[in-house]
Amino acid sequence: ILNVEQSPQSLHVQEGDSTNFTCSFPSSNFYALHWYRWETAKSPEALFVMTLNGDEKKKGRISATLNTKEGYSYLYIKGSQPEDSATYLCASLMRGSYIPTFGRGTSLIVHP
Amino acid sequence: KAGVTQTPRYLIKTRGQQVTLSCSPISGHRSVSWYQQTPGQGLQFLFEYFSETQRNKGNFPGRFSGRQFSNSRSEMNVSTLELGDSALYLCASSLEGQEYEQYFGPGTRLTVT
Repeated sequence: ILNVEQSPQSLHVQEGDSTNFTCSFPSSNFYALHWYRWETAKSPEALFVMTLNGDEKKKGRISATLNTKEGYSYLYIKGSQPEDSATYLCASLMRGSYIPTFGRGTSLIVHP
Repeated sequence: KAGVTQTPRYLIKTRGQQVTLSCSPISGHRSVSWYQQTPGQGLQFLFEYFSETQRNKGNFPGRFSGRQFSNSRSEMNVSTLELGDSALYLCASSLEGQEYEQYFGPGTRLTVT
């Protein structure tokens, strides 16, 4: 994988549903992976920075896992709420560079 | 602590014109990076400034330029605007030595007609 890819592109769920999406990134020379939450007309907000293979991070109902050997990360949202509606971006950094490569994001809409 | 601010938030320009966007980083942050987001694309890196010097540059034509002032505020300029320059332009700032941890502004939405 040469680029950072996110799937699905968009997701509609009902309030209370749990959901997850994927970020795939180049595994060679991996340094770190960032997840951001981006609400419309606001600044992207950092959720997690992950560096180690097997890393798991959690913030409230949102958690993320990292597999650096196969080059993927999952973001999970448990019991989705309408306020979780946003675009979730991942960005990969390679060793020797702090310029991130961003995926196109997953747009999540949670219906009440 | 105030976040990253960008001005203006919205801008409409005509093809052929030029435009200047401004970014004020978080106090104490000396690195400022600029990104472009067009519909359906991920954030594309434009350039990064540190201590008034361009330190990194993305793959954009020379019409895109920037500068940074002694107070770390940065401006981005696009000359001879094209329709395809319509995009959201984000800047991000970071602390020296922690450039991997970027804090984003809300962006400037540029529309070229």
